[in-house]
Amino acid sequence: EAGVTQFPSHSVIEKGQTVTLRCDPISGHDNLYWYRRVMGKEIKFLLHFVKESKQDESGMPNNRFLAERTGGTYSTLKVQPAELEDSGVYFCASSHLPTEQYFGPGTRLTVT
Amino acid sequence: DQQVKQNSPSLSVQEGRISILNCDYTNSMFDYFLWYKKYPAEGPTFLISISSIKDKNEDGRFTVFLNKSAKHLSLHIVPSQPGDSAVYFCAASAPAGTALIFGKGTTLSVSS
Repeated sequence: EAGVTQFPSHSVIEKGQTVTLRCDPISGHDNLYWYRRVMGKEIKFLLHFVKESKQDESGMPNNRFLAERTGGTYSTLKVQPAELEDSGVYFCASSHLPTEQYFGPGTRLTVT
Repeated sequence: DQQVKQNSPSLSVQEGRISILNCDYTNSMFDYFLWYKKYPAEGPTFLISISSIKDKNEDGRFTVFLNKSAKHLSLHIVPSQPGDSAVYFCAASAPAGTALIFGKGTTLSVSS
């Protein structure tokens, strides 16, 4: 069974530019989550999809972040415009049952 | 304020001995707890979990203990192996399947 995949693995953009991160969950997993780890800090929750619906987006930092999950399959997280403090590693996770969440390898975003 | 705390940033253990990683939480609404292991440049890997209705869960070399009255959980690894060297994160959710709240992690080093 393929795990959670994320693309790209690393992105370097300038302040003010737009970046889109993609996550492909494990097949059949209705729950999809986004998390972020800023340098030296703990991993923090951003939002939770159940199929294509946003179940909880309380962790989204501001309206520069837009997450979508078309057709309940893959998800994208767009940052527009990017700011320096958006730098970090963005993790995606998925789950079938409301128990353990399986994480992808992450996308390292560097905003210069 | 941190709801999940891992007060030991690092732990060093000799191969074959027991590793004990600790985690404290403040939110009494948490009812599902998980431990993840993370290697550099990879996403967190699920290790073991425990529901608040239990006080112990065991899986091979890994055992998690939950003390609800003390709001404390611990992960025991016996025997420790060099391949166990990684960062270990404690996480909690309320209820299961919702946003995970992570601690800052403990770096375990197992020497041969």
